[in-house]
Amino acid sequence: DSGVTQTPKHLITATGQRVTLRCSPRSGDLSVYWYQQSLDQGLQFLIQYYNGEERAKGNILERFSAQQFPDLHSELNLSSLELGDSALYFCASSTWTASTDTQYFGPGTRLTVL
Amino acid sequence: LAKTTQPISMDSYEGQEVNITCSHNNIATNDYITWYQQFPSQGPRFIIQGYKTKVTNEVASLFIPADRKSSTLSLPRVSLSDTAVYYCLVGDRGSNYQLIWGAGTKLIIKP
Repeated sequence: DSGVTQTPKHLITATGQRVTLRCSPRSGDLSVYWYQQSLDQGLQFLIQYYNGEERAKGNILERFSAQQFPDLHSELNLSSLELGDSALYFCASSTWTASTDTQYFGPGTRLTVL
Repeated sequence: LAKTTQPISMDSYEGQEVNITCSHNNIATNDYITWYQQFPSQGPRFIIQGYKTKVTNEVASLFIPADRKSSTLSLPRVSLSDTAVYYCLVGDRGSNYQLIWGAGTKLIIKP
C-alpha cells in the first residue's frame, strides 16, 4: 500500500459525458501527478501540482483539467469523453524536494467509455 | 529536452542477473534518473534513483557512467516474481520542468 488513494476504482460512462477522478496523496506529500495509461501502453504524464499550484504540464488534452485543493487532494476532470479516453488513470504523490523526487502511485482508476 | 530509450522486451532465467539499459542522450546536469517497476493493472513502484556513479539498495543497483548519457538497472538473481515492466524516468529540473518517461521494458523471467 503506497498510501495514495484514488476513487473510484472503476468508472463506466458514455461518450460525451464528463467524469471526475479523485486522488488523496500520502500524508506529508505536497506534490500530485496525474498519468494516463492506455491498454498495453506506457505512462503518459498529464500534469503535476505542487502545494496547490500547477508545476508541470505534459500531454494533457484541453478537454481535461485538474486542480489541487488546499487539503492537497486533487481532482482530474475529463469532459466530452471519447472512446479513446478509455484507460487507467494513475495519481502519484511525492515530497518533491530539490534533490529527490520519489513518486508513490495510487492503484488507479479504470475508465471505460462506451 | 532529455529523451529516453530502452529496450522493448527482455527475457532471462531465474537466478540470473539482469541488466536493463536506458539511454538519455540529452540529459541535463541537474537531471536525476529513476527506475520504476510495474505489474499489470497496478501503479508503478519505485525501485531506485541516482544522479551519477553507482547506487545500490536492497533490491537493485543503478550504474550511471561519467557522461550520464545512459543508466543501467541491475537486478541480481531474479525470480519469477520479477516479471514486470520496468520504466526509466528522467526528471528535468530546468526552467521548463518536465518528466520524461521511457516506453518501458517488459522483462520476462523463465523457470
